[in-house]
Amino acid sequence: EAQVTQNPRYLITVTGKKLTVTCSQNMNHEYMSWYRQDPGLGLRQIYYSMNVEVTDKGDVPEGYKVSRKEKRNFPLILESPSPNQTSLYFCASRTTDTQYFGPGTRLTVL
Amino acid sequence: QKEVEQDPGPLSVPEGAIVSLNCTYSNSAFQYFMWYRQYSRKGPELLMYTYSSGNKEDGRFTAQVDKSSKYISLFIRDSQPSDSATYLCAMSLISSGSARQLTFGSGTQLTVLP
Repeated sequence: EAQVTQNPRYLITVTGKKLTVTCSQNMNHEYMSWYRQDPGLGLRQIYYSMNVEVTDKGDVPEGYKVSRKEKRNFPLILESPSPNQTSLYFCASRTTDTQYFGPGTRLTVL
Repeated sequence: QKEVEQDPGPLSVPEGAIVSLNCTYSNSAFQYFMWYRQYSRKGPELLMYTYSSGNKEDGRFTAQVDKSSKYISLFIRDSQPSDSATYLCAMSLISSGSARQLTFGSGTQLTVLP
């Protein structure tokens, strides 16, 4: 079954405590992205990756890091989380015409 | 001003109605247009995409793009309660290739009443 998995699904943490949200896809897609979704603002792209070791900033990259060392994995790293990063995060992978989103990670930063 | 504007709704219609969902955009360079459906507590799923002005039909769904007016629409015919979801429009600058930076609308929440 084609899928994108994210972990954890829910996370409550405190300001400044580094965290990583993992993302993995089993479709051999080259292109992967991270988004955050906030009420009234919709989905905003944080980072995207065109292939292994190739990443670029999206609309809201501040406070986030990513890496793409393997084709299937695209982790999102928050080195020093702040309350304004409380949000619902989605990982996605795509071909030219088809995009799959993960189930989402709800992050709360206290 | 946001690059992509979408009426958040909520929109409530009776079963069987024709639904019209719309987005306007300000960047005339957008070339690739998509509609996503997002059920509660789920990730968005791609419904339709199109590269050009005009209509594209897929079952009960029709996507319409008017580049001259910078306006896109999604029509749902014979709406069903299972269509109740949030609908997101999205667009990008690049019309081909694998690298795209997508800009999303904020989504319209639709409820179809049985």
